[in-house]
Amino acid sequence: KAGVTQTPRYLIKTRGQQVTLSCSPISGHRSVSWYQQTPGQGLQFLFEYFSETQRNKGNFPGRFSGRQFSNSRSEMNVSTLELGDSALYLCASSLGGAHSYEQYFGPGTRLTVT
Amino acid sequence: AQTVTQSQPEMSVQEAETVTLSCTYDTSESNYYLFWYKQPPSRQMILVIRQEAYKQQNATENRFSVNFQKAAKSFSLKISDSQLGDTAMYFCAFVEIQGAQKLVFGQGTRLTINP
Repeated sequence: KAGVTQTPRYLIKTRGQQVTLSCSPISGHRSVSWYQQTPGQGLQFLFEYFSETQRNKGNFPGRFSGRQFSNSRSEMNVSTLELGDSALYLCASSLGGAHSYEQYFGPGTRLTVT
Repeated sequence: AQTVTQSQPEMSVQEAETVTLSCTYDTSESNYYLFWYKQPPSRQMILVIRQEAYKQQNATENRFSVNFQKAAKSFSLKISDSQLGDTAMYFCAFVEIQGAQKLVFGQGTRLTINP
């Protein structure tokens, strides 16, 4: 079974621009979660989607948004990029049902904001 | 709010030695899962081992085992017969059993296995 895939793997954007990152979960997984990883703040939860609905959201400004499609693929969008948004963005998928809490991570998208 | 603390930012051991990574967490919940993830340099995060809070028996996966002390809110990872490929950042993580899947991570322990 193919693992979690994320595209693109690397991005360089300018302050003020917006960016969209994509995540394809493991086949059969209905939950997709997004995390931001930085050297200073570590791994922080952004949001989780299950069956096209956002189930939980972390403490990030409204510039960070996401969505999930009927095939469970997910995208996250960051608008009006700031220098502090430079990070590794990780997507993780899981079955999403009761007692299915193991999350499997993709390779990440490294975003650099200049 | 739940918190996870890894008190050892870095550790270094010789190949074939046994090493224990520490993790403590804080929660008022009684039902949750705990995980150890491994992130090798410039590589993907990998699930190493998981523990359900309602299970008293400590989880084991080959050379990896945990010491889960629920009352003390402690969840340490023991790596036996360490190998060069074990060199990585190790993250302890916690998730409540409440529907939404929000992993709370510790700050990580950078483990280096020396030849």
